[in-house]
Amino acid sequence: QVQLVQSGAEVKKPGASVKVSCKASGYSFRSFAVHWVRQAPGQGLEWMGWINPGNGNTRYSQNFQGRVTLTRDTSANTAYMELSSLTFEDTAVYYCARTHPFDSWGQGTLVTVSS
Amino acid sequence: QAALTQPASVSGSPGQSITISCTVITSDVGTYDLVSWYQQYPGRAPKLIIYEGNKRPSGVSNRFSGSKSGNTASLTISGLQAEDEAVYYCSSYEGSLNYVFGGGTKVTVL
Repeated sequence: QVQLVQSGAEVKKPGASVKVSCKASGYSFRSFAVHWVRQAPGQGLEWMGWINPGNGNTRYSQNFQGRVTLTRDTSANTAYMELSSLTFEDTAVYYCARTHPFDSWGQGTLVTVSS
Repeated sequence: QAALTQPASVSGSPGQSITISCTVITSDVGTYDLVSWYQQYPGRAPKLIIYEGNKRPSGVSNRFSGSKSGNTASLTISGLQAEDEAVYYCSSYEGSLNYVFGGGTKVTVL
């Protein structure tokens, strides 16, 4: 069955960067886009961007342009989301999700930005 | 670009039907057919329950249905049950390879 397994929780200081991984299994990793979505505490879902694992092409939300980088390692069936210049407002659960409609989701990774 | 507007909350009694609206404001009318709906319980990842406006993934209860009228997509939950208490989000392609979510609607079963 399709499964997306994300890396564990992170605690970062303001100004630092964080890199979250999303390992896919149960399907052809190269054939489906991987999207990233975040959810701040008590808030709604916010789309961040997506990567085409087949060719590495990316598209980022304007809200994160310049701060987010999506990459992938096809040999490991893993997608990565790196967010830089962290502020307290980046404290959130970060999800990866397969394609759109988002038919499979990772379990989420809590990123806490704290001094 | 597109914006998706949902009511903050909707409530109903067990057995009733409720409808959640998602008003789509976009310059690309083709995106209306790409609205999907997600159910999220506290502390859990969202789950796809409706896609392409009115299609249900395998395993999703037929009490969930989607529709569209004008620039508004809707999710209807029939025969409301306690387990339906959750937050529901609509999502759509907004053009230029970007995607967007509505603000979410909290469903309360009275």
